[in-house]
Amino acid sequence: ETGVTQTPRHLVMGMTNKKSLKCEQHLGHNAMYWYKQSAKKPLELMFVYNFKEQTENNSVPSRFSPECPNSSHLFLHLHTLQPEDSALYLCASSQPRDFGTEAFFGQGTRLTVV
Amino acid sequence: LAKTTQPVSMDSYEGQEVNITCSHNNIATNDYITWYQQFPSQGPRFIIQGYKTKVTNEVASLFIPADRKSSTLSLPRVSLSDTAVYYCLVGDIRASNDYKLSFGAGTTVTVRA
Repeated sequence: ETGVTQTPRHLVMGMTNKKSLKCEQHLGHNAMYWYKQSAKKPLELMFVYNFKEQTENNSVPSRFSPECPNSSHLFLHLHTLQPEDSALYLCASSQPRDFGTEAFFGQGTRLTVV
Repeated sequence: LAKTTQPVSMDSYEGQEVNITCSHNNIATNDYITWYQQFPSQGPRFIIQGYKTKVTNEVASLFIPADRKSSTLSLPRVSLSDTAVYYCLVGDIRASNDYKLSFGAGTTVTVRA
C-alpha cells in the first residue's frame, strides 16, 4: 500500500466508448503524474500537475484528457481510443522539498482497447 | 533534465552483490540522483536518493563520485525477489515545476538460483 489508489484496476473498452481513470492520494502531495507503460517498454510521462495546474503535457493525443479538481484527485478521461492505447496506466504523486523527495505510485490500471 | 545512461540488462545469482552504474555527464548543480525499482505490472518503488558521496539504507547503497557524473546502485546479497527493472533518475527535487520525474529505459536485473 503506497497511499496512491487507482481505480479501476482493469478496464476493457471499445474504441467508441468513453471512460475515466481515477487516482487518489491523501499523502498531502502537491504534484501528481500520469504515465503510460506499454508491454516491455519504459514508462512514458504523459501529464504533470503541480498545485492543480497542468505543468507538463508530453505531446499526448487529445483523446486523453486529464483533470485535476484538487490536490488529492487526478482523472484521465478517455474517448475514441485506439488498440495501441492498450497499456498499464500509472499515477504517481510527490512532494518537492529540499531533500528526500520520493514519488509514490499507484498499482496502475490495466487498459485494453478492443 | 540530465540524460542518464544505464546498462540494458544484468544477470546475477542469489547471494551475490549487484552493482548498476548510471552515467549522467550533464548533471546540474541542484540535481539529485534517485533510483526506483519496478516489478512487472506494478508501479515503480523508490529505493534510494542521494546528492554526493555515499548513501545507505536498509535496501541498498548509492555511491556517487566527487564529479557526480555517474552513480552506482549497490544491491547486497540479492535474492530471486530482486529480479526487477531498476531506473536511475536525475533532477532537481526541490523544483516543483521542473521535477518531471522522467524515466529512461532502466536496467533489467535477473537473479537466478
